[in-house]
Amino acid sequence: RKEVEQDPGPFNVPEGATVAFNCTYSNSASQSFFWYRQDCRKEPKLLMSVYSSGNEDGRFTAQLNRASQYISLLIRDSKLSDSATYLCAVDNTDKLIFGTGTRLQVFP
Amino acid sequence: SAVISQKPSRDICQRGTSLTIQCQVDSQVTMMFWYRQQPGQSLTLIATANQGSEATYESGFVIDKFPISRPNLTFSTLTVSNMSPEDSSIYLCSVEEWGRTSTDTQYFGPGTRLTVL
Repeated sequence: RKEVEQDPGPFNVPEGATVAFNCTYSNSASQSFFWYRQDCRKEPKLLMSVYSSGNEDGRFTAQLNRASQYISLLIRDSKLSDSATYLCAVDNTDKLIFGTGTRLQVFP
Repeated sequence: SAVISQKPSRDICQRGTSLTIQCQVDSQVTMMFWYRQQPGQSLTLIATANQGSEATYESGFVIDKFPISRPNLTFSTLTVSNMSPEDSSIYLCSVEEWGRTSTDTQYFGPGTRLTVL
């Protein structure tokens, strides 16, 4: 089993839709979780950290499920500009392990 | 977050040559990391570079192939030695900061796109 796994997609959704991605991790001792956004030919940019209690930032909501060992990202009211690859990252003994990313394409 | 720059932004190199990539941060940071991202793949950690100590390499990466320098708290270099086409990739440096969310968070430089012919 990979340390961090994501559905590669692509997820093709219309503008205004709600879309959710999951990311599973294998190390139950992991303490820090993140979602990054990566545009084509650009570096990953931190979207949000994921807290145990869940957190929200505008249209974006992140959740952590420790029992099932996954994190999720929910995007509401999708915009064309949300089209990107979304990478999850999980800490594993002082380093981050990245998933392969989920590609989102929002169409008009 | 810290502002991170990398040089060169891209390069095309001949097989057998070496390229040194520079990473500059506008503030002092303890932890710096070097990643590789091959086409269509996710990020793979090459090594962790802390100032004043030898870099720590991940499985599959060795110092002879990817020597790293970390002379101070704002600068690091990664050299890709004796390159082959399989080294064609994007190389990214990142730094760890204590974020506003009270967790250590990594921020990335813009990357160096390397093509080896």
